[in-house]
Amino acid sequence: AQSVTQPDIHITVSEGASLELRCNYSYGATPYLFWYVQSPGQGLQLLLKYFSGDTLVQGIKGFEAEFKRSQSSFNLRKPSVHWSDAAEYFCGAGFQGGKLIFGQGTELSVKP
Amino acid sequence: DAGVTQSPTHLIKTRGQQVTLRCSPKSGHDTVSWYQQALGQGPQFIFQYYEEEERQRGNFPDRFSGHQFPNYSSELNVNALLLGDSALYLCASSGGKLTDTQYFGPGTRLTVL
Repeated sequence: AQSVTQPDIHITVSEGASLELRCNYSYGATPYLFWYVQSPGQGLQLLLKYFSGDTLVQGIKGFEAEFKRSQSSFNLRKPSVHWSDAAEYFCGAGFQGGKLIFGQGTELSVKP
Repeated sequence: DAGVTQSPTHLIKTRGQQVTLRCSPKSGHDTVSWYQQALGQGPQFIFQYYEEEERQRGNFPDRFSGHQFPNYSSELNVNALLLGDSALYLCASSGGKLTDTQYFGPGTRLTVL
């Protein structure tokens, strides 16, 4: 079955520290992959998306993600976290037919 | 350029009632998808409309139905509301290709009492 897993429900990092949010997917073929961010009471904003080509994808707000086929992973990284990055982050995968499947989300808290 | 808009912002209903939620896609987009996001969960796909037809459907009962109008706006209807239908309902619009990025609206918060 198609699924996306985000193993970390909640992560706390200090401002200025580096960040890595984990994401794994399960599917027979490589879907297209993405990360969205959701601030409280808001909709989802796309951070970045991978469809094919270079496995290191650059996104907005200084985020990047690396697709690793052998590990079925698409982890999100940022070298230096800002207080404004505190939000809920969703990894997801798009499969045939246009349906998007999301992980459960990782809530990021930033300590001053 | 307006993004995806949804109305109403909040809605309170009682069990057994029916509700209609509305979505206007981003300019230039012809595809609308609907998602349900329960508290503490990721969004779950309900269905997608393209060219006024339901193109794909997720694992939701027939109580959930939709419509797309010629101007590409869309409605989500839920009949016989249950307490478990309380959630944030998100609409996303995209171009016609299945791999096009989906842009999300702010959502409609539905509370069923």
